[in-house]
Amino acid sequence: SYEVTQPPSVSVSPGQTARITCSGDAMPKQYAYWYQQKAGQAPELVIYKDSERPSGIPERFSGSSSGTTATLTISGVQAEDEADYHCQSADSSGTWVFGGGTRLTVL
Amino acid sequence: EVQLVESGGGSRQSGGSLRLSCAASGFNFNTNAMTWVRQAPGKGLEWVASVSGSGQRTFYADSVKGRFTISRDNPTNTLFLQMDSLRAGDTGKYFCAKETGGTYSWLDSWGRGVLVTVSS
Repeated sequence: SYEVTQPPSVSVSPGQTARITCSGDAMPKQYAYWYQQKAGQAPELVIYKDSERPSGIPERFSGSSSGTTATLTISGVQAEDEADYHCQSADSSGTWVFGGGTRLTVL
Repeated sequence: EVQLVESGGGSRQSGGSLRLSCAASGFNFNTNAMTWVRQAPGKGLEWVASVSGSGQRTFYADSVKGRFTISRDNPTNTLFLQMDSLRAGDTGKYFCAKETGGTYSWLDSWGRGVLVTVSS
């Protein structure tokens, strides 16, 4: 079955830039969506359609996609950004798939 | 304000059944597709099933196809997930979520989730 791959963990210091990747063979033809999940909470959408930001999401969150890899970038990371980040995309038939999630640690 | 509140979780033995519900409010329920997503303990998210706004079209992950049934009751703004032939691998937190978008859709609102435990 189709899979999208994320790194298990990313660590950055406050104020630095965090980049979380999501790779999959169908990515060139499918959008990526990103969800933030803080401990014990429900996921929250932070990026849709590769690079669009929902209202209420801080400008430091941005997304991009090139080839088989989508990237979530958090500029000027803050302590409150520490969370798990989940990538969602789809296979060539449109069936949804989530990545394994990436734990962002703010040092 | 969109609100999604799941209920019906609990513990069952392998082979048992459970019915989850999700009460929705704050939006025009029958115009949005709805989805169930689950999360095994300490693991990532897994798409389970989706249903169109009318309820006429349903979609399932291979891991639950033939065992789970997603449905909705639009007059009462309620989403359901009937879970039969439960397995230990079905253990986790189940979230209901509201879809938005058209051809390419995403999940813009989520409930807090409900726990399902299946023991072998």
